[in-house]
Amino acid sequence: ETGVTQTPRHLVMGMTNKKSLKCEQHLGHNAMYWYKQSAKKPLELMFVYNFKEQTENNSVPSRFSPECPNSSHLFLHLHTLQPEDSALYLCASSQVGPYNEQFFGPGTRLTVL
Amino acid sequence: AQKVTQAQTEISVVEKEDVTLDCVYETRDTTYYLFWYKQPPSGELVFLIRRNSFDEQNEISGRYSWNFQKSTSSFNFTITASQVVDSAVYFCALRGDSNYQLIWGAGTKLIIKP
Repeated sequence: ETGVTQTPRHLVMGMTNKKSLKCEQHLGHNAMYWYKQSAKKPLELMFVYNFKEQTENNSVPSRFSPECPNSSHLFLHLHTLQPEDSALYLCASSQVGPYNEQFFGPGTRLTVL
Repeated sequence: AQKVTQAQTEISVVEKEDVTLDCVYETRDTTYYLFWYKQPPSGELVFLIRRNSFDEQNEISGRYSWNFQKSTSSFNFTITASQVVDSAVYFCALRGDSNYQLIWGAGTKLIIKP
């Protein structure tokens, strides 16, 4: 596998379910990100991990819980979500530093019923 | 505060026409970085270019060219002789030295008709 991979690609869940999104990067990067992309809204940064340490949490509700066990893997644990959480969730990775471009995975299309 | 504005929500042109996507940014940082990304219907954001604030040289890559003008705080993207495969949403983004977060524009949806 190359680049950034995300699983699953599509997920439908009820409001009482617990699920996890997985992201893996094969680029040797040391920073990873979760973004939320809703229809007709700008891309929203959710979480940032630099060297496995969380450095940003943009006021994300606690029903979203990130986990970064190592610099290649990133998870987003979901529980008791709301219908408005339905969106495309994108994972990205980069080298640490403001000048480094981010490389994105294909995203997980999440639908909350 | 940092901000990126892509005023064009949607552009539709016929194949082979040239098209320019506008990007205007705001930042107080003296050092910053500008990016363009492409998001085809498949959903994956694809990196196109990065430009540093201290390098105003324009860039050309095949049919793509970028015009960076600090005087007008703009970083516009032109596609020459557009093709149907260029249809996508294009995002401009800014990252300054004072804040490591990428600030994204709202995106411009480009439709190339055959």
